[in-house]
Amino acid sequence: AQSVSQHNHHVILSEAASLELGCNYSYGGTVNLFWYVQYPGQHLQLLLKYFSGDPLVKGIKGFEAEFIKSKFSFNLRKPSVQWSDTAEYFCAVNAGSGAGSYQLTFGKGTKLSVIP
Amino acid sequence: DGGITQSPKYLFRKEGQNVTLSCEQNLNHDAMYWYRQDPGQGLRLIYYSQIVNDFQKGDIAEGYSVSREKKESFPLTVTSAQKNPTAFYLCASSIKLAGGPYEQFFGPGTRLTVL
Repeated sequence: AQSVSQHNHHVILSEAASLELGCNYSYGGTVNLFWYVQYPGQHLQLLLKYFSGDPLVKGIKGFEAEFIKSKFSFNLRKPSVQWSDTAEYFCAVNAGSGAGSYQLTFGKGTKLSVIP
Repeated sequence: DGGITQSPKYLFRKEGQNVTLSCEQNLNHDAMYWYRQDPGQGLRLIYYSQIVNDFQKGDIAEGYSVSREKKESFPLTVTSAQKNPTAFYLCASSIKLAGGPYEQFFGPGTRLTVL
């Protein structure tokens, strides 16, 4: 079974600061990796995903993430945050194939608060 | 508009009562899911269904039941056996992208409070 660790529970940044949220997963096989965001009062929505190819993936709203297979990591980055990025961010993983490819395993989430 | 609807947005029940949460999707997705979200716990999978008339337990299925009689609908019943039912419940559906993974789409959620 896979597991996901997000190391920061709450991150507080000033506007224009750079962001990096850590995500590590545990799984022995091929994985697909996702970052979801939950803005206050809104649906959980997909920020970006990795399943093959270039390990540096770009998502919506200027976010990007890098898959480092040797470190089992998929950290989320943004060079300059805005107040509107205030939200909760979830890293998730599913197996690359088989029955586990249906199921997503989520990390516990990181709350980001951006101060104007 | 295509999407996932969950109703109601807020639900209050007395302890000991069963309650059913609705989830409907018009995305023509085969797979559907129920998650529970608690502060600081992330999302935990309760049940999922890959096709009509079939479903599997997730990590925290105890005290919950589901049915999947139609492709569009995947209701979740929170029974009186669930020891701590107050939570935010999210429904999702998924589609397999060509050459890619299953991607899940989420509904707006139902916040259940048991008094």
